Amino acid sequence: NAGVTQTPKFQVLKTGQSMTLQCAQDMNHEYMSWYRQDPGMGLRLIHYSVGAGITDQGEVPNGYNVSRSTTEDFPLRLLSAAPSQTSVYFCASSYSTGVEAFFGQGTRLTVV
Amino acid sequence: GENVEQHPSTLSVQEGDSAVIKCTYSDSASNYFPWYKQELGKRPQLIIDIRSNVGEKKDQRIAVTLNKTAKHFSLHITETQPEDSAVYFCAASYPSWTGTASKLTFGTGTRLQVTL
Repeated sequence: NAGVTQTPKFQVLKTGQSMTLQCAQDMNHEYMSWYRQDPGMGLRLIHYSVGAGITDQGEVPNGYNVSRSTTEDFPLRLLSAAPSQTSVYFCASSYSTGVEAFFGQGTRLTVV
Repeated sequence: GENVEQHPSTLSVQEGDSAVIKCTYSDSASNYFPWYKQELGKRPQLIIDIRSNVGEKKDQRIAVTLNKTAKHFSLHITETQPEDSAVYFCAASYPSWTGTASKLTFGTGTRLQVTL
């Protein structure tokens, strides 16, 4: 089992560019989520999904889109990158709510 | 939504001493409280968790206590070792408004440094 795999590990974008952060899990987990980690602010929930075809917003969803067409994949799209989106992004999955969440290795994104 | 406050933001202890990190939460509906450890440059990993129907849980040198009435929970690390140095996050899981899932809200983290 690879667990939760994120790509890329590092990315530099120019303001206004768009891109997709990839997240895949091979544990057949229904629940997947995206967090951003900023110094002094912990991990903040961007979007989450409770299964294929079902997504919902977290606490900081603006500027990000998600979709869940398969159980395995949960990509995060930045529509028009802004310097405020410079952060480390983590994808996580769990087989249910109220149980351990497994994190990917993170994507360090810099928007210049 | 849920709000989780975590203190202290930094903590320095000598090897062998105990460390305590405290968190408070706002939503009485929260029912699951995990603690994650994040080493420098690595992903967060679960070290211990507790559910709302339990007051205390222990795993070797690590313990977590929960006070539902006061809405706070704490992480206790005894006999600290240099490899305990990391950032620790508490979190609280509460049901979403749709009732379909629980959201996990994290505290802002505590940087623990264990000195020799």
